[in-house]
Amino acid sequence: EVQLVESGGGLVKPGGSLRLSCAASGFTFSSYSMNWVRQAPGKGLEWVSSISSSSSYIYYADSVKGRFTISRDNAKNSLYLQMNSLRAEDTAVYYCARVSYRSPDYWGQGTLVTVSS
Amino acid sequence: DVVMTQSPLSLPVTLGQPASISCRSSQSLVYSDGNTYLNWFQQRPGQSPRRLIYKVSNRDSGVPDRFSGSGSGTDFTLKISRVEAEDVGVYYCMQGTLLFTFGPGTKVDIK
Repeated sequence: EVQLVESGGGLVKPGGSLRLSCAASGFTFSSYSMNWVRQAPGKGLEWVSSISSSSSYIYYADSVKGRFTISRDNAKNSLYLQMNSLRAEDTAVYYCARVSYRSPDYWGQGTLVTVSS
Repeated sequence: DVVMTQSPLSLPVTLGQPASISCRSSQSLVYSDGNTYLNWFQQRPGQSPRRLIYKVSNRDSGVPDRFSGSGSGTDFTLKISRVEAEDVGVYYCMQGTLLFTFGPGTKVDIK
């Protein structure tokens, strides 16, 4: 069974940093691209970042480019999102998701990031 | 950037009746490999999103056959043949042809 478990969310002040993790199991992690997708409270889904299976290709939404860094450790079956210079508008539930057919097919339960003073 | 629009944004439905959601993209979603990467997701209240349909019309494993997807180019449709109570939630289209973009979502609830 595919499982994705996010962690690392919490309350952080504007300008602060946070590192999210996603532990994957139930599939060959090193064979799949992965995404981070977020959802602000009461709002829709927003794609944040993607990383290919071998980390060769990395993409970011314009809203986070230059502030967020996606990475992965295939030996540890883990996906990460380093978030710096956080803003109030980054407040959201952050989901990690496996990608197949250029689309997230399995999603984690999400981790809440709140940016507030 | 590709912009995705959906209509309607709110869809009250009667149990047992059909429902349809439209999704349009600002440019063609045909990828260089010939495939069209248009997907549909369901998000039930309090749950993570779930993919229903990939590449326009392919149902994911476990998705009831009352859900179907169709369309081409820039115009796409998700149809529910007979709405059930468990179908309440928000439905998003999403393109994966040029990076990823979600539509604004359509809230489906029971009349």
